[in-house]
Amino acid sequence: GAGVSQSPSNKVTEKGKDVELRCDPISGHTALYWYRQSLGQGLEFLIYFQGNSAPDKSGLPSDRFSAERTGGSVSTLTIQRTQQEDSAVYLCATQSYSNQPQHFGDGTRLSIL
Amino acid sequence: AQSVAQPEDQVNVAEGNPLTVKCTYSVSGNPYLFWYVQYPNRGLQFLLKYITGDNLVKGSYGFEAEFNKSQTSFHLKKPSALVSDSALYFCAVRDPNAGNNRKLIWGLGTSLAVNP
Repeated sequence: GAGVSQSPSNKVTEKGKDVELRCDPISGHTALYWYRQSLGQGLEFLIYFQGNSAPDKSGLPSDRFSAERTGGSVSTLTIQRTQQEDSAVYLCATQSYSNQPQHFGDGTRLSIL
Repeated sequence: AQSVAQPEDQVNVAEGNPLTVKCTYSVSGNPYLFWYVQYPNRGLQFLLKYITGDNLVKGSYGFEAEFNKSQTSFHLKKPSALVSDSALYFCAVRDPNAGNNRKLIWGLGTSLAVNP
């Protein structure tokens, strides 16, 4: 498709389980961002990939969170040993050039029981 | 510290009336400025941006915004609001002097309610 695709759209899991969230970027977009958004709230930056550079992980809230971007394309955000406070919508955005807007997927709604 | 402020959590306006959603920023140099809209259960959608040039920029769905350097503001406006404009609006800014780091600084969002 032409847009950013995220999967799954919804994920319900038990506390303590690991989850993987996937982001398929727009082809050719070199920058990829992960954000977290609590219900009706603002965006919390998590991690940023830019080309082959080392990712900016400064927003990851704990070492239970990690992300990869393979071959400069698909990215996965992994949350280990999930906690109830991890419940949120996780948004992925990609970008071509630095003066261009970020393009967002519709997010993964994660619910931890 | 660099920051973006959206001073109003919520804005209410009657359909057909003009609307304004406010944004002010604190960034050194000449910033890149963006507005996004978020409808329920959707990701953010780009509305418009200011990079350089004319201070008045026009974007999607009839929205426009004016870059005011002296007031460090980038308020979003629309001459005649529609009920379908009801959504969450985010302002974001990037410091172009931040080198290769393209991260945006985001406002906390303003919920716009347009009443029929």
